[in-house]
Amino acid sequence: DSGVTQTPKHLITATGQRVTLRCSPRSGDLSVYWYQQSLDQGLQFLIQYYNGEERAKGNILERFSAQQFPDLHSELNLSSLELGDSALYFCASSSRTSAVNNEQFFGPGTRLTVL
Amino acid sequence: GESVGLHLPTLSVQEGDNSIINCAYSNSASDYFIWYKQESGKGPQFIIDIRSNMDKRQGQRVTVLLNKTVKHLSLQIAATQPGDSAVYFCAVPPTANFGNEKLTFGTGTRLTIIP
Repeated sequence: DSGVTQTPKHLITATGQRVTLRCSPRSGDLSVYWYQQSLDQGLQFLIQYYNGEERAKGNILERFSAQQFPDLHSELNLSSLELGDSALYFCASSSRTSAVNNEQFFGPGTRLTVL
Repeated sequence: GESVGLHLPTLSVQEGDNSIINCAYSNSASDYFIWYKQESGKGPQFIIDIRSNMDKRQGQRVTVLLNKTVKHLSLQIAATQPGDSAVYFCAVPPTANFGNEKLTFGTGTRLTIIP
């Protein structure tokens, strides 16, 4: 158990809908990262927040957005869903901003299926 | 941008044998490398990391070798066990000096341990 929790575990929805994925980082971790893992694209970094502020952005679509709240939990919002958005979405947390010497602890993921 | 790839998508090894998983990267300025393990149904888990001022680093039953000349790193797992069956990713941040968090993951090698 990494200490990172994600809800829900599974999510099935229809095209055009909007969903919110939730992540609680390990106690004390200020950085939260979101990743998308699909069969054809592998593990892709989406976005990172540090202590409530956006820190780094990866290949995140404009239809997607995220935020980190004062209690450090984070939400990833996916809107106007398309079939291709079906994937595993992972949240990871770490104690600092840098990716160096700063192990990221991954949650169990949310499996999103868009029908 | 950075690209990271793995040489083999799948690898099968007899239990008790040693395994070697390879990874190539494109950015010669990359100076920090990480290996992650992802078991079925779980999020990635940190295994070992290495900085570019080293060419070898050992952990418990794992060794990472770095060849900066050919931009190649490998993960060696000694005396493989059934629990080593997983997908293994190498990950590279673009640069260590500026704390860039955009980890680029390789496509992964699925290691299967044959009993």
